Amino acid sequence: DVVMTQTPLSLPVSLGDQASISCRSSQSLTYSNGNTYLHWYLQKPGQSPKLLIYKVSNRFSGVPDRFSGSGSGTDFTLKISRVEAEDLGVYFCSQSTHVPLTFGAGTKLELK
Amino acid sequence: QVQLQQPGAELVRPGASVKLSCKASGYTFTSCWINWLKQRPGQGLEWIGNIYPSDSYTNYNQKFKGKATLTVDKSSSTAYMHLSSPTSEDSAVYYCTRFYYVYGDSMDYWGQGTSVTVSS
Repeated sequence: DVVMTQTPLSLPVSLGDQASISCRSSQSLTYSNGNTYLHWYLQKPGQSPKLLIYKVSNRFSGVPDRFSGSGSGTDFTLKISRVEAEDLGVYFCSQSTHVPLTFGAGTKLELK
Repeated sequence: QVQLQQPGAELVRPGASVKLSCKASGYTFTSCWINWLKQRPGQGLEWIGNIYPSDSYTNYNQKFKGKATLTVDKSSSTAYMHLSSPTSEDSAVYYCTRFYYVYGDSMDYWGQGTSVTVSS
């Protein structure tokens, strides 16, 4: 199985800060068709996760442009340019290139 | 609008099977894979498997083979996951999600999750 390693597991921030979360995979996530199926989700307390970014860098409908994704191969990053209160929660990276699909352990974005 | 409706909670006796439901609406049910995931309290997400409603083709995480069985009822646009012989290790929140190829096989819509408690 592909292991997804997220760092840090906890990220204390102040509102307005920039935040960066790393996600590394144990195998390349580039599929034979050239696409990279690495996605980011946000789970707020008491809610189900919601899609933020798909295929490395594409923002899902309604996701603010302060969220951006980048990376390739096995090394990926999610950045939030100016953290707002509604951004707090647990961020998961996930891959759907290989079966079984796997998720990172999650990064908790919280206030300092 | 796309919705995946799941019951909020299920209480199950150890060893008694349970069938979780996920009713889809707002899109063509047979055109998108349905995934099932497990989340234990304070822990990450595990992918159990998925099913393509059009032909009931399934993929399973090897870890859950023999534990989970995925089916669909096209007439009611509902996906089901049967959990066999549940133990305390199966107490968790179970989510159904949709795969949509337009969004690169990401999970663009999620149900609210069913909290399963296995207890006598």
